[in-house]
Amino acid sequence: DAGITQSPRYKITETGRQVTLMCHQTWSHSYMFWYRQDLGHGLRLIYYSAAADITDKGEVPDGYVVSRSKTENFPLTLESATRSQTSVYFCASSSGHLNEQFFGPGTRLTVL
Amino acid sequence: GENVEQHPSTLSVQEGDSAVIKCTYSDSASNYFPWYKQELGKRPQLIIDIRSNVGEKKDQRIAVTLNKTAKHFSLHITETQPEDSAVYFCAAPRIQGAQKLVFGQGTRLTINP
Repeated sequence: DAGITQSPRYKITETGRQVTLMCHQTWSHSYMFWYRQDLGHGLRLIYYSAAADITDKGEVPDGYVVSRSKTENFPLTLESATRSQTSVYFCASSSGHLNEQFFGPGTRLTVL
Repeated sequence: GENVEQHPSTLSVQEGDSAVIKCTYSDSASNYFPWYKQELGKRPQLIIDIRSNVGEKKDQRIAVTLNKTAKHFSLHITETQPEDSAVYFCAAPRIQGAQKLVFGQGTRLTINP
């Protein structure tokens, strides 16, 4: 699991600030994902990427922006953070179609 | 798109007994059903998955069964142990064959010694 990392692990920010969460994987997996995890909602997909320069919206994309200029990196940006974006964010990667998704350790984000 | 319902939300069993968690899905074309385990404060990890061309799959004390007609699949854990205590999530493809998954709400399983 050391192959996929997230930074920072914990972040406290204020409403209206821009925040970027980083995700890096060393396996050269094609697919990468961002999920948020909130009590009572399980894991919800924010954005998804099938390859470098290819991204697609998930269930809850509003307020988030992603990019994938390199295969190994998939940053998630909250352009103007809101309290409702307080959550635990997980990045994941997968090698192929309907293969196992490997999750990063998560980032706990608090928006005050 | 797919909708996944998971039950129960919490489950408590005595050590050594069996535990069963059930998920229903809405899209009859869904063809891949993974189960993830998440220990407290840790990341989710795949424990078993099943594809629509088989009805059952086993891996030691863990098994998953699939009923395509009824559109439900279940996780079975036998001879439960304290380390089985965790939150378990089922999932199904959001769109047929797609890599995007829809997760159930999770089941918190507690194994009582």
